[in-house]
Amino acid sequence: EVQLVESGGGLVQPGGSLRLSCAASRFTFSSYEMNWVRQAPGKGLEWVSYISSSGSTIYYADSVKGRFTISRDNAKNSLYLQMNNLRAEDTAVYYCARAGLELPFDYWGQGTLVTVSS
Amino acid sequence: QSALTQPASVSGSPGQSITISCTGTSSDVGGYNYVSWYQQHPGKAPKVMIYDVSKRPSGVSNRFSGSKSGNTASLTISGLQAEDEADYYCSSYTSSSTVVFGGGTKLTVL
Repeated sequence: EVQLVESGGGLVQPGGSLRLSCAASRFTFSSYEMNWVRQAPGKGLEWVSYISSSGSTIYYADSVKGRFTISRDNAKNSLYLQMNNLRAEDTAVYYCARAGLELPFDYWGQGTLVTVSS
Repeated sequence: QSALTQPASVSGSPGQSITISCTGTSSDVGGYNYVSWYQQHPGKAPKVMIYDVSKRPSGVSNRFSGSKSGNTASLTISGLQAEDEADYYCSSYTSSSTVVFGGGTKLTVL
């Protein structure tokens, strides 16, 4: 069974930075597009960012453009999200999700909580 | 990109059918057949129930079905069961090469 395990969440002050990781296993990571999706406490899902299988194509939601950077290391079967200049409204559970854009998000990790607060 | 519009809540009794609507624009729902529906139980990750408007992934009950007319997609659950009680989200690919989700619908099985 496909496995996606996020890590790196925690408490950070406004304006601070955090790097999330997603470790993938039990599938050929380098063949799949990947995404980050977040969910603020008690709120709905919000798509954050997409990266193609090779890493050559990247898209961001307007709410994070210029502050977040998605990347991947296919040799390490890992997906990353570098988050800079964090704001209170970035507080959410962050999920990594396989595939996306035209394709459905067919597998999701368990999520990692990011809390932005002073 | 504005969120797709879903009703905040729907309810039904066991055995009944319910339909959840998801309204967007010609730049998302109406422009592409890339609408998906996700089920999320409290504290759990979402699970895809329908993709490409009306396709069901392997293992998803045939009580779940999807359709689309114009800028509005719909999810129908027939033969409601207690375990169907959850939050449901629609999503669509957009003309900006992004994904937009609906605000979510809480399904209560009475």
